[in-house]
Amino acid sequence: SQQGEEDPQALSIQEGENATMNCSYKTSINNLQWYRQNSGRGLVHLILIRSNEREKHSGRLRVTLDTSKKSSSLLITASRAADTASYFCATSPSGNTPLVFGKGTRLSVIA
Amino acid sequence: GAGVSQTPSNKVTEKGKYVELRCDPISGHTALYWYRQSLGQGPEFLIYFQGTGAADDSGLPNDRFFAVRPEGSVSTLKIQRTERGDSAVYLCATTMGTQYEQYFGPGTRLTVT
Repeated sequence: SQQGEEDPQALSIQEGENATMNCSYKTSINNLQWYRQNSGRGLVHLILIRSNEREKHSGRLRVTLDTSKKSSSLLITASRAADTASYFCATSPSGNTPLVFGKGTRLSVIA
Repeated sequence: GAGVSQTPSNKVTEKGKYVELRCDPISGHTALYWYRQSLGQGPEFLIYFQGTGAADDSGLPNDRFFAVRPEGSVSTLKIQRTERGDSAVYLCATTMGTQYEQYFGPGTRLTVT
């Protein structure tokens, strides 16, 4: 079963614009992670935020976490055509346990 | 190796046949996970290993699915009497040390005709 729900399911923007994706989950977590997937194959880890953190940055990525609302957001600033991919949030209930993924957001960045 | 590798990359089999999917993990990894991803969905957990035995196999859909990791490294996912509903991309992932990030292989796309 899938715990998370990403919103929107699909997003299309122009190069240079910012892209925001949201994720909601159902149960308590140890950490929340965001992954990118190109062409339906292997996933690439982007960023991890722990349950006691509220915001984290990595390059053009900014992640927020609101545990009271059980939600997270991923912001990609100054998007590029190469950012076109599917983005998934994944939660871990306790440390090094299997991840529970959402259905993903398909991002298209138009040059 | 430098990354997680999976073989074969694509597998087409007939309904009722047996298949084996292999995962070669990152050297020095800790845990090894198997996920299944259907079209338009996120990956769903199947089973994971901390050593040679499965730490949690609660995600296996039924007893046609089985996975082994005999020497605590390479893992094989085995599917008996395949059904068309088993068609999906099967992903293997590992963790390193005490880190929680997972490193994924490219996946095996299984098609059951």
